[in-house]
Amino acid sequence: NAGVMQNPRHLVRRRGQEARLRCSPMKGHSHVYWYRQLPEEGLKFMVYLQKENIIDESGMPKERFSAEFPKEGPSILRIQQVVRGDSAAYFCASSPRTGKNTEAFFGQGTRLTVV
Amino acid sequence: TQLLEQSPQFLSIQEGENLTVYCNSSSVFSSLQWYRQEPGEGPVLLVTVVTGGEVKKLKRLTFQFGDARKDSSLHITAAQPGDTGLYLCAGQPQGGSEKLVFGKGTKLTVNP
Repeated sequence: NAGVMQNPRHLVRRRGQEARLRCSPMKGHSHVYWYRQLPEEGLKFMVYLQKENIIDESGMPKERFSAEFPKEGPSILRIQQVVRGDSAAYFCASSPRTGKNTEAFFGQGTRLTVV
Repeated sequence: TQLLEQSPQFLSIQEGENLTVYCNSSSVFSSLQWYRQEPGEGPVLLVTVVTGGEVKKLKRLTFQFGDARKDSSLHITAAQPGDTGLYLCAGQPQGGSEKLVFGKGTKLTVNP
């Protein structure tokens, strides 16, 4: 019973490089959410996707960040031209359905360090 | 913007003691979830409460959702060192939003 799988677990990038974070949802889950956790801060919503569709990206920075969830393969969170402030833990969650009282199950996260 | 305030932010107690963690908001949530997060890991779902006044028990943990669905509490009886961790509450805002709003968490340390 595989849970939400994220890779890599740790990622180090130099300023200006690109970071690609991958998330495979739990089997049978077609809804994916990305959250960011800064030190001493709570998790902040970034984006909600269903297969091939971005449903809500109200928490995504307007520039440099993008997300996709293709028909086949994992969801990808992409950060272009990373800056030190992008250093954080990025968590992916999945759920089997949408709507009220939906439970989300989280992966172990990708810890991005920008040097 | 919906906000969830958790208190206390830090809690250090001795094994065997009881404790309560609070999660408060001025906004109404259609459901509220409690998670526990260990260092370097993702949040693990403990419980979801959906009905105002609802009480759920998970072994030594008791979760309550306020009558007005604006607040929640987590009570741990006879805490053990294995209960150490970061406890997060997260609410699903009323109105159909899919995203969860998280509190900053309560960092619990149970000393043997």
